[in-house]
Amino acid sequence: EAQVTQNPRYLITVTGKKLTVTCSQNMNHEYMSWYRQDPGLGLRQIYYSMNVEVTDKGDVPEGYKVSRKEKRNFPLILESPSPNQTSLYFCASSSPSRQYNEQFFGPGTRLTVL
Amino acid sequence: RKEVEQDPGPFNVPEGATVAFNCTYSNSASQSFFWYRQDCRKEPKLLMSVYSSGNEDGRFTAQLNRASQYISLLIRDSKLSDSATYLCVVKSSGYSTLTFGKGTMLLVSP
Repeated sequence: EAQVTQNPRYLITVTGKKLTVTCSQNMNHEYMSWYRQDPGLGLRQIYYSMNVEVTDKGDVPEGYKVSRKEKRNFPLILESPSPNQTSLYFCASSSPSRQYNEQFFGPGTRLTVL
Repeated sequence: RKEVEQDPGPFNVPEGATVAFNCTYSNSASQSFFWYRQDCRKEPKLLMSVYSSGNEDGRFTAQLNRASQYISLLIRDSKLSDSATYLCVVKSSGYSTLTFGKGTMLLVSP
């Protein structure tokens, strides 16, 4: 089954404790992206990657890091989480070479930083 | 000016009603347009792409007006299961990222 998986799905942590949210897709997509979604603000892009070893900042990259060592994986790293990073996070993937391509989203990770 | 603007709603309609959402975009170079659906606390999923000539998928009809830079979604014969948030999404080129509107909430009641 074609899918994007994220882990963990739910996480409560404390300020300053480094964490990683994993994202994996099995569709051989070149493009992967991370979003955060907050009430009243909609989906905002954090980082994206056009392919292996190619990453770029989105609209709200501060406080986050990513890596793309393999095509299927795109982890999101919070080196020192803060309460303003409490949010719902989505990973997504697509094949950008197709004009009417669909972006597939993972199920989301609900993060609470105390 | 916001890149993609939508009325947040909520739109409250009875079952069987017809409801329409509009969305405006600011980048005249935008090339691809989509409507995504998002259920509460779930991931967004593609509802339909929007083609230049307009397109229909069952009870759903999408229209694009490039001159006025807006996109519309029409839902006929609303079902309870149509209750969700509808996200307008724009892409400026094949290799660019997606820009999401904040969504329009639809509540269909019995």
